[in-house]
Amino acid sequence: DVKVTQSSRYLVKRTGEKVFLECVQDMDHENMFWYRQDPGLGLRLIYFSYDVKMKEKGDIPEGYSVSREKKERFSLILESASTNQTSMYLCASSLVTADTQYFGPGTRLTVL
Amino acid sequence: AQSVTQPDIHITVSEGASLELRCNYSYGATPYLFWYVQSPGQGLQLLLKYFSGDTLVQGIKGFEAEFKRSQSSFNLRKPSVHWSDAAEYFCAVGARSFQKLVFGTGTRLLVSP
Repeated sequence: DVKVTQSSRYLVKRTGEKVFLECVQDMDHENMFWYRQDPGLGLRLIYFSYDVKMKEKGDIPEGYSVSREKKERFSLILESASTNQTSMYLCASSLVTADTQYFGPGTRLTVL
Repeated sequence: AQSVTQPDIHITVSEGASLELRCNYSYGATPYLFWYVQSPGQGLQLLLKYFSGDTLVQGIKGFEAEFKRSQSSFNLRKPSVHWSDAAEYFCAVGARSFQKLVFGTGTRLLVSP
């Protein structure tokens, strides 16, 4: 069965901290995605990656960076967390870019 | 550019009643269309998808959706809603030429006894 896991379900950080969110998929998918989800705004794409060491900016990349050193792992990095980055973060993967995306359970991040 | 509109933010339906959630998209060619469901505190789960062929698509949990090109719509339906269907529902659009999906803002379904 398809599985996408995220390192934490809940995370509380302080303003200015560097934050790492990890995502792992076991489906050998080429493509991986990071979204943030906020009430009334739906899912907004932060970054995606279509291959190891490759990355593309999504719709809201400011304040974030990503890393993909291995095919199965895609990390989202908040270089200096701010309160407006408090949100639900969802990771997804897909075999083909425009095809079905499989989602992890999400990480609810609170920045104080 | 692709876009998706889900005009209803909240919908309340009585248990056992029928359900229709609306989705309109904007894209010049034939899109790939998806419906996902998100239960509270969970990630998104695929309900069904349309790529080509029969415009009436069957999905999991008794859901179906119909692609209507003339109306640029892909509405989700269920003949009889169960309390466990209470969740948030997202419509999404993609295309072969695009690298990503575009999601709507979601519709929250409440089921009353």
